[in-house]
Amino acid sequence: DAMVIQNPRYQVTQFGKPVTLSCSQTLNHNVMYWYQQKSSQAPKLLFHYYDKDFNNEADTPDNFQSRRPNTSFCFLDIRSPGLGDAAMYLCATSRDPGIETQYFGPGTRLLVL
Amino acid sequence: SQQGEEDPQALSIQEGENATMNCSYKTSINNLQWYRQNSGRGLVHLILIRSNEREKHSGRLRVTLDTSKKSSSLLITASRAADTASYFCATDAGETSGSRLTFGEGTQLTVNP
Repeated sequence: DAMVIQNPRYQVTQFGKPVTLSCSQTLNHNVMYWYQQKSSQAPKLLFHYYDKDFNNEADTPDNFQSRRPNTSFCFLDIRSPGLGDAAMYLCATSRDPGIETQYFGPGTRLLVL
Repeated sequence: SQQGEEDPQALSIQEGENATMNCSYKTSINNLQWYRQNSGRGLVHLILIRSNEREKHSGRLRVTLDTSKKSSSLLITASRAADTASYFCATDAGETSGSRLTFGEGTQLTVNP
């Protein structure tokens, strides 16, 4: 029944060591989003894909990249994680632009040592 | 600056009481949504209210929207211990490339048995 799946649920990496978080969906939705949520804060949109079109938020650091090889999968790459990148990373989907409800995965909590 | 601001930041009530959370925002919106987040988990969509609607109900949830005051409220009636969670409002300005949500800082609700 899982609709938006994120792996792993917990990820530990070292300062400066590249890390990839993954998200998959069984909903066949066209739009996929990545949010960063730090402790006791609001989720913050990093970027989203509408189909293959990538839409980056203006204040998303260059350290964060994303790939969407097909409809079902989307990856978040952090090229050189810093201590400030420790957070919960949430993946979400929506069916189409104009279909507003977003469906969230359980999140991946990233710890940077 | 953050689009949505919520108050109170934290709310503690007894089971059976009603809980009211408020959200204010700054710019024009297409719709406003409320999400719930259990500790360490992803967000779950609760209810969406469009800019031309004033009130909406879903089970024990009642949402109001006042576009002239740029504010919304979420009322949970007859609260249960299982309602303990963080509640976020999110505004959608309505864009063709995908629903971009801007989240408020959230209200942490604790319902005591």
